[in-house]
Amino acid sequence: TQLLEQSPQFLSIQEGENLTVYCNSSSVFSSLQWYRQEPGEGPVLLVTVVTGGEVKKLKRLTFQFGDARKDSSLHITAAQPGDTGLYLCAGESPGNDMRFGAGTRLTVKP
Amino acid sequence: NAGVTQTPKFQVLKTGQSMTLQCAQDMNHEYMSWYRQDPGMGLRLIHYSVGAGITDQGEVPNGYNVSRSTTEDFPLRLLSAAPSQTSVYFCASSRGPTDTQYFGPGTRLTVL
Repeated sequence: TQLLEQSPQFLSIQEGENLTVYCNSSSVFSSLQWYRQEPGEGPVLLVTVVTGGEVKKLKRLTFQFGDARKDSSLHITAAQPGDTGLYLCAGESPGNDMRFGAGTRLTVKP
Repeated sequence: NAGVTQTPKFQVLKTGQSMTLQCAQDMNHEYMSWYRQDPGMGLRLIHYSVGAGITDQGEVPNGYNVSRSTTEDFPLRLLSAAPSQTSVYFCASSRGPTDTQYFGPGTRLTVL
């Protein structure tokens, strides 16, 4: 059983569509990170959220941390082919290290 | 500033062989870690180090050894490779365990 469950596992959409992916847990996190990973490369940090209810925007990407700090969502507006990749969330485990979800693999078709 | 470097990029081993995956960082980060990434499993922590001379086990440490003799280097050793260790391995470094992690490009390992 993973500490962080991400859904959906796969998502394929057309350019211009909007989408939301989710990261859920039964545990409370002091902070949660979102990474994007492109094929053949390591993950790259997109954002860190630390406050319950916090909303952060990064161009067309909107990240929200749940009020109870157990879940988070990533919304992409008007998706582009360059958004294609694996989106990973990571949260601090009870052992004070970061644990990752399995990720959502997004494909945006032109 | 090269960030985090890993070698080799690809490796094929036979069952029972041993090898070392190299990882180096030039950001003077105290915290370094090794992950393996398997389809549907995400990144799983193998071992980590909070500074030179200090290492500890992560989620899936069996079959792997690490050492941290310098701040810059954090090699991962496979003692006797098994097909279950076929995976993509990522090294990461950060200022602390929950700070932004900077990942290397990965090593794709196949054990036959």
